[in-house]
Amino acid sequence: EIVLTQSPATLSLSPGERATLSCRASQSVSSYLAWYQQKPGQAPRLLIYDASNRATGIPARFSGSGSGTDFTLTISSLEPEDFAVYYCQQRINWPITFGQGTRLEIK
Amino acid sequence: EVQLLESGGGLVQPGGSLRLSCAASGFTFSSYAMTWVRQAPGKGLEWVSTIISGGSTYYADSVKGRFIISRDNSKNTLYLQMNSLRAEDTAVYYCAKSALVPAGTGPFDIWGQGTMVAVSS
Repeated sequence: EIVLTQSPATLSLSPGERATLSCRASQSVSSYLAWYQQKPGQAPRLLIYDASNRATGIPARFSGSGSGTDFTLTISSLEPEDFAVYYCQQRINWPITFGQGTRLEIK
Repeated sequence: EVQLLESGGGLVQPGGSLRLSCAASGFTFSSYAMTWVRQAPGKGLEWVSTIISGGSTYYADSVKGRFIISRDNSKNTLYLQMNSLRAEDTAVYYCAKSALVPAGTGPFDIWGQGTMVAVSS
């Protein structure tokens, strides 16, 4: 099973700042990594797939990078609605696994 | 509008059974792999099971032998039969659609609103 480790567990920033979230895989997942955003009481929303492709309707301030075992989700300038929990997910093989999440909170 | 709507959750005693349903609309259901993901209270996302368009099924070790995923393409509906339920199965259960064909491992571009399953005596 591929273990995904996200860091930091919690990130405290202010609106307008840049956010950098990390996801590290226990073995290579090539570029088969996705990022999701989840707000309280809501289902997850797909942001980025295959490491760097924005999903439909996702603002350009969200970007993804990386390959192999190290990946980054960057939010260039935080909007109030971006404060949420973010998860990474690998799809290179079974079982599908998610990271434990990074909570992005308002400083 | 592309939509998934889960139903069937509730309170069940340990050892009991429950069947979840997920009604799909707005896309060609039969063409896409479908997945169940769960989230225990205050915890992260956990993949449960996937059924691809051809009918092959995959399960997390934690539910293998107890849960059965199935689909009825004529009714555009996904199911999860949950047997021998345990306290640790307590969670919100989401159904999700794969974004890519024929990929069964995701990513998941459409999610339902979730249905709560509570296992307790």
